[in-house]
Amino acid sequence: SQKIEQNSEALNIQEGKTATLTCNYTNYSPAYLQWYRQDPGRGPVFLLLIRENEKEKRKERLKVTFDTTLKQSLFHITASQPADSATYLCAGPGGGGADGLTFGKGTHLIIQP
Amino acid sequence: EAGVTQFPSHSVIEKGQTVTLRCDPISGHDNLYWYRRVMGKEIKFLLHFVKESKQDESGMPNNRFLAERTGGTYSTLKVQPAELEDSGVYFCASSLFTGLSGNTIYFGEGSWLTVV
Repeated sequence: SQKIEQNSEALNIQEGKTATLTCNYTNYSPAYLQWYRQDPGRGPVFLLLIRENEKEKRKERLKVTFDTTLKQSLFHITASQPADSATYLCAGPGGGGADGLTFGKGTHLIIQP
Repeated sequence: EAGVTQFPSHSVIEKGQTVTLRCDPISGHDNLYWYRRVMGKEIKFLLHFVKESKQDESGMPNNRFLAERTGGTYSTLKVQPAELEDSGVYFCASSLFTGLSGNTIYFGEGSWLTVV
């Protein structure tokens, strides 16, 4: 079945460095992937969408890539700050119907000062 | 502009009881979605409304779950009777557009349900 996989172990990064999170997909070819940020006890907040024909997308300190050969998306946060600490979710189509999303479990990012 | 609001934020009920969760989408958003995250698992799609019509309810776990969206505004999700495995966070989300090319979806803060 269609699956989005993220390394659910916590990722510890030193402040100021670039954090890179990985999202792999299996058993399908998503037309797009989305990245969300989720803080404890809160709902997911949409960050970026990248389509399969786009290699890279940027928004301020965020950069997302989409590699259809590797079946992978990378999410980068440059000049990371402690305030960037959160769980980051990758999602793609195929959760249900035309618009339902299928999510990965998320990667917990900790930026240490 | 108000975001997606959900009520209650937390609910603890006994097995066999009924709980009704409410979601108010962003004003003007015809598309409303329910998702659920149970402990240790990923967020999973439950169903999608377009206005008052159920577009897709393929993710609903079983017939103990009933979602409605009368008048195409707010939505309710009723669980009756609740079972232990229904515990989790129920997220509501809304969007202005639909489409296979993806669109921005706004999530509420979630309703945390604990069945004891």
